[in-house]
Amino acid sequence: NAGVTQTPKFRVLKTGQSMTLLCAQDMNHEYMYWYRQDPGMGLRLIHYSVGEGTTAKGEVPDGYNVSRLKKQNFLLGLESAAPSQTSVYFCASSSPTRGTEAFFGQGTRLTVV
Amino acid sequence: AQKITQTQPGMFVQEKEAVTLDCTYDTSDPSYGLFWYKQPSSGEMIFLIYQGSYDQQNATEGRYSLNFQKARKSANLVISASQLGDSAMYFCAMRELQGAQKLVFGQGTRLTINP
Repeated sequence: NAGVTQTPKFRVLKTGQSMTLLCAQDMNHEYMYWYRQDPGMGLRLIHYSVGEGTTAKGEVPDGYNVSRLKKQNFLLGLESAAPSQTSVYFCASSSPTRGTEAFFGQGTRLTVV
Repeated sequence: AQKITQTQPGMFVQEKEAVTLDCTYDTSDPSYGLFWYKQPSSGEMIFLIYQGSYDQQNATEGRYSLNFQKARKSANLVISASQLGDSAMYFCAMRELQGAQKLVFGQGTRLTINP
């Protein structure tokens, strides 16, 4: 089982460039989440989705956009990258069933120079 | 507003001792789930334990137990007989089950087990 797969694992961007991070899950989960984790910090929710075709803002949505065109995929876009977006990005998915945990991808380390 | 607070940035414990990691939360949703995750230095997120707001008993999973005090809105993680491999970051998280369904994390506690 692949679980949750993030692509790419590492990326270096120049300020102003754009990119898309892909999250794919094979567990048929309804919910998907994007987080960023800065050094020594907790996970902060960027955007999330409770089903195909729906997205919602989290705690730190500015500078990011997302799309959930297919249930298994959740895309995170940076239209014009800034050094403040240097971080490790985690994707997670979960079932809405009470008592089930979220499963995480391995993370994407993004550096904006 | 949905919020998780972990007030201990770092904890240092001797091997084989028990340790309690604090977590308090705030929510107006009567139905919610509380989670603890471990993040070792390798970076992956490892699920440890879950507690539902309507669960009558405190959750336990091996050496992990959750001290759930609903009236005080606290969900502390207790690790018994700590091991060197327990050294990691620990995160408390909450998902509201009737509201927006966001999964929100606390700031984390870095636990160091000394031999």
